Amino acid sequence: EDQVTQSPEALRLQEGESSSLNCSYTVSGLRGLFWYRQDPGKGPEFLFTLYSAGEEKEKERLKATLTKKESFLHITAPKPEDSATYLCAVRATGNQFYFGTGTSLTVIP
Amino acid sequence: NAGVTQTPKFRVLKTGQSMTLLCAQDMNHEYMYWYRQDPGMGLRLIHYSVGEGTTAKGEVPDGYNVSRLKKQNFLLGLESAAPSQTSVYFCASRGPRTGDVLSYEQYFGPGTRLTVT
Repeated sequence: EDQVTQSPEALRLQEGESSSLNCSYTVSGLRGLFWYRQDPGKGPEFLFTLYSAGEEKEKERLKATLTKKESFLHITAPKPEDSATYLCAVRATGNQFYFGTGTSLTVIP
Repeated sequence: NAGVTQTPKFRVLKTGQSMTLLCAQDMNHEYMYWYRQDPGMGLRLIHYSVGEGTTAKGEVPDGYNVSRLKKQNFLLGLESAAPSQTSVYFCASRGPRTGDVLSYEQYFGPGTRLTVT
């Protein structure tokens, strides 16, 4: 059964304190792993797509990496405006996407 | 360019009532999706469409119907609402390409918060 698990469920960081969020997956035939950011009361906003193990993508303070079993979203020197829920999703065979339950990040000034 | 819009933003229904949620996108995307988001469950796919006139079931389709009569619109219907359908509903769309690159990222609407009493 295709499954996506994110950890931790919640993370509190001091401003400037770097950390990583984890997304582990078990899917038959990975065809893409996606990271989204979701602010309270809004829809998810696309951040990154990763397709193969070893691939990395960066955007400002965020860096996403992918192995054969998991992905990490590294946050370097976070700021309060990085506070949000970060969602991971995978695309297996077909047109369906499976989402994790997210990591709620709070960055304290 | 409004992206993906959803109507209404909020709705309260009584058990047994029916309603239709409207999703509209102005990006000429082929693919459209309806998800529900519940605490501790993550986003779950209800139905999706790969093009005008086509629909398919997702992970949790029971109690919902959909239609895609026009490429830019995707409707989600609840024929007889139940309290278990209390949730936040998100519509998303994606195109087959971004420039010359195959594209799978989805663009989400702002959501509809539905409460069934």
